[in-house]
Amino acid sequence: GAVVSQHPSWVICKSGTSVKIECRSLDFQATTMFWYRQFPKQSLMLMATSNEGSKATYEQGVEKDKFLINHASLTLSTLTVTSAHPEDSSFYICSASAAGGTLGEQYFGPGTRLTVT
Amino acid sequence: AQSVTQLGSHVSVSEGALVLLRCNYSSSVPPYLFWYVQYPNQGLQLLLKYTSAATLVKGINDFEAEFKKSETSFHLTKPSAHMSDAAEYFCAVWTSGTYKYIFGTGTRLKVLA
Repeated sequence: GAVVSQHPSWVICKSGTSVKIECRSLDFQATTMFWYRQFPKQSLMLMATSNEGSKATYEQGVEKDKFLINHASLTLSTLTVTSAHPEDSSFYICSASAAGGTLGEQYFGPGTRLTVT
Repeated sequence: AQSVTQLGSHVSVSEGALVLLRCNYSSSVPPYLFWYVQYPNQGLQLLLKYTSAATLVKGINDFEAEFKKSETSFHLTKPSAHMSDAAEYFCAVWTSGTYKYIFGTGTRLKVLA
């Protein structure tokens, strides 16, 4: 149980275009979803937290107009990287916490590798 | 504010040897602590968690960790390393104050044949 999927797993886009990444909780309702960014050989940095039906809360230094997060249902959150540039190339990982689950525990998706050329 | 320090960005052990990955935390409120493992190009898999119950926590694949409040530590151990344990390991702290994880910088475990 507690499976989180991400789509696509790998995407290449041209500079200036937008890319949407989906994060789905497959077998539970996710009250809160989190988006992380991970550069090579580095730790995960939280970008934003989103609750279903509410605006996302962005971490300091994360451009909310560039990284659009939508959490329209209890099983789906999307991250759209707008006007992508090569410096946005990274590994993006989402996670979700379950309604009624262990406090603090998050379930992680497999990640999406974004390469901007 | 919370923080997590993982001592040793790289750790090498021989197959069959003890694995010890260190994690120290700082938190002004009682923390929940987690260890995750990440294989290349994959997400994070939970190994074990401390949520204020038993201080010695057992996880998957024979990993365990002990919460020591006096030392503000939550070190991860495994009695006998296996080749398949080679991966990146992350310690994370969570508190009800922020409702989010703070991750350590990670420790890459290498298992030597």
